[in-house]
Amino acid sequence: EELLEESGGGSVQPGGSLRLSCAAAGFTFSDFELNWVRQAPGKGLEWISFINKGGTDVFYADSVKGRFTISRDDAKNSLYLQMNSLKFDDTAVYFCARESALLWTPGYGMDVWGQGTTVTVSS
Amino acid sequence: QSALTQPPSASGSPGQSVTISCTGTSSDVGFYDYVSWYQQHPGKAPKLMIYEVTRRPSGVPDRFSGSKSGNTASLTVSGLQAEDEANYYCSSYAGNNNLLFGGGTKLTVL
Repeated sequence: EELLEESGGGSVQPGGSLRLSCAAAGFTFSDFELNWVRQAPGKGLEWISFINKGGTDVFYADSVKGRFTISRDDAKNSLYLQMNSLKFDDTAVYFCARESALLWTPGYGMDVWGQGTTVTVSS
Repeated sequence: QSALTQPPSASGSPGQSVTISCTGTSSDVGFYDYVSWYQQHPGKAPKLMIYEVTRRPSGVPDRFSGSKSGNTASLTVSGLQAEDEANYYCSSYAGNNNLLFGGGTKLTVL
């Protein structure tokens, strides 16, 4: 079974940092492009970051650009999201999701999702 | 860029058909054929239902179909079943390595 599992969420004060991880199993991780998508409480989905196969290209939504960094370690079958300068508006469930095919940019269609990890930014 | 526009709610009786719209602009939905639809049950992860406007991943029932006309994409669910009750989100590639989601539509099976 193809799986993604996020970890690293928690409660943090504004201005703080967190590092999310996403562990993959059941497929050849290095062959796929990956995204982070978040969902604020009671709200819709928001794409926030993409990394291509090989990790040479990374893209961000304007809402997180300059504060968040996406990376991957294919040897560990893992995806990461380093989140700095956190704001109240960053409170959300964070999902990692696999692109179903290579497009070299986000948007082909995300066919494997983790269950999400919750980030709460609160003073 | 703004999120894609979806109606907040839709409903239908079992066995009926319902269509959910997703309106963007000529820079996203109207320009690219990279529109996807996701189903999300409360407290669960989203599930890919449609990609590339009309294509269904394996395992998704053929009751689910997608289409696009101009700047508006649509998801049609035919032969509604109780388990189809969920939130549905569209997404579209928007150029400049950016992906937009719609605000979501809550589908109620009456």
